[in-house]
Amino acid sequence: DAGVIQSPRHEVTEMGQEVTLRCKPISGHDYLFWYRQTMMRGLELLIYFNNNVPIDDSGMPEDRFSAKMPNASFSTLKIQPSEPRDSAVYFCASSLRGLAGSTGELFFGEGSRLTVL
Amino acid sequence: AQSVAQPEDQVNVAEGNPLTVKCTYSVSGNPYLFWYVQYPNRGLQFLLKYITGDNLVKGSYGFEAEFNKSQTSFHLKKPSALVSDSALYFCAVRDINSGYSTLTFGKGTMLLVSP
Repeated sequence: DAGVIQSPRHEVTEMGQEVTLRCKPISGHDYLFWYRQTMMRGLELLIYFNNNVPIDDSGMPEDRFSAKMPNASFSTLKIQPSEPRDSAVYFCASSLRGLAGSTGELFFGEGSRLTVL
Repeated sequence: AQSVAQPEDQVNVAEGNPLTVKCTYSVSGNPYLFWYVQYPNRGLQFLLKYITGDNLVKGSYGFEAEFNKSQTSFHLKKPSALVSDSALYFCAVRDINSGYSTLTFGKGTMLLVSP
């Protein structure tokens, strides 16, 4: 398996522009997570999905952020409009829980580094 | 509620010396415990996990971790550090008894191994 795939790896945009980050989870995984990493705040959970359904979006900073998972193999995180304080590395991760309640370790993508000027 | 503490922002060790990266946790039930490593400009990579059984868990790259229930700790160890071990290390916990819960990560500890 190719692992969790994220795109783009780097994005530089100007304040006010729309940003869309993409994620392809590991095939067969039933949970998908979006995290944000900054020096100041560390690793923050933004939202997670189970079987394509959003379960907890309490970590989403504000209404400018939205996430979708239209099918089991694709998710997007959108920021509209973007602001300089959104500059961070955004990680997507997936895991397999299944019916047996596996230990659920996360598998992370390489991240999308966003810079908002 | 579940939480993880990594008390050291940075650990410095000379190559060839043993290393320890500390982690303590808090859960209401029994824990699943994990260590992840992040190299520069990379995602987090799974190193090892404790589920049940032997308190000493062996993982990737020669790392191991010791689960201590009485001290609620899960310290990461390696007998002989390599310069290539320099990275950011995260401890994480999940409460088995909470039904379902996400992993809670510590803030990370930067390990610097000098030649």
